[in-house]
Amino acid sequence: QSVLTQPPSASGTPGQRVTISCSGSSSNIGSNYVYWYQQLPGTAPKLLIYRNNQRPSGVPDRFSGSKSGTSASLAISGLRSEDEADYYCAAWDDSLSAHVVFGGGTKLTVL
Amino acid sequence: QVTLRESGPALVKPTQTLTLTCTFSGFSLSTSGMCVSWIRQPPGKALEWLARIDWDDDKYYSTSLKTRLTISKDTSKNQVVLTMTNMDPVDTATYYCARTQNPVPFDYWGQGTLVTVSS
Repeated sequence: QSVLTQPPSASGTPGQRVTISCSGSSSNIGSNYVYWYQQLPGTAPKLLIYRNNQRPSGVPDRFSGSKSGTSASLAISGLRSEDEADYYCAAWDDSLSAHVVFGGGTKLTVL
Repeated sequence: QVTLRESGPALVKPTQTLTLTCTFSGFSLSTSGMCVSWIRQPPGKALEWLARIDWDDDKYYSTSLKTRLTISKDTSKNQVVLTMTNMDPVDTATYYCARTQNPVPFDYWGQGTLVTVSS
């Protein structure tokens, strides 16, 4: 059972905007930044969003992150077939020294 | 550029000890703020953080696995080693090493190595 809660699946058609939620608690999302990782099929995860809403170099601005209280969201606009992947949220947890906790992952299907 | 690569056995028997090595380049683990973690992912399941070693040799372990894990580093070789004792079939997973540049966790990942536990 993952510490952060994500929906197991999400879907959309090309061009649509989809959002993926991530729910935590006061000790993780409520008091720390949220990070998002994209895992394309058969590959290692890749940092997609850091510090709630910052994109590493090379990540398209179609991807955006937000946080409010103990929840966070990843939004993907202008959905493309290559966005089909698993998405994981993560955050440091103050109740677990130096531990980063993950969500259970959301499988995004582009219909 | 930053790269990490995991190496180790693809198959281990139950009760054996697993030793994995992460060899990295493009950064130094003696630089303040640099850390390397091990994360695993059972087939079809979510990511699970296992252990972390910091530039100053501080070490941290998953609460649920800490009695079985040991992490160490060889800064001169740019390597981090993870040992996990008493392996069980439920430990079958892809094991990743990843860099943390405080406070951003896992900004770079290795490609992962699949470890199967079976007799």
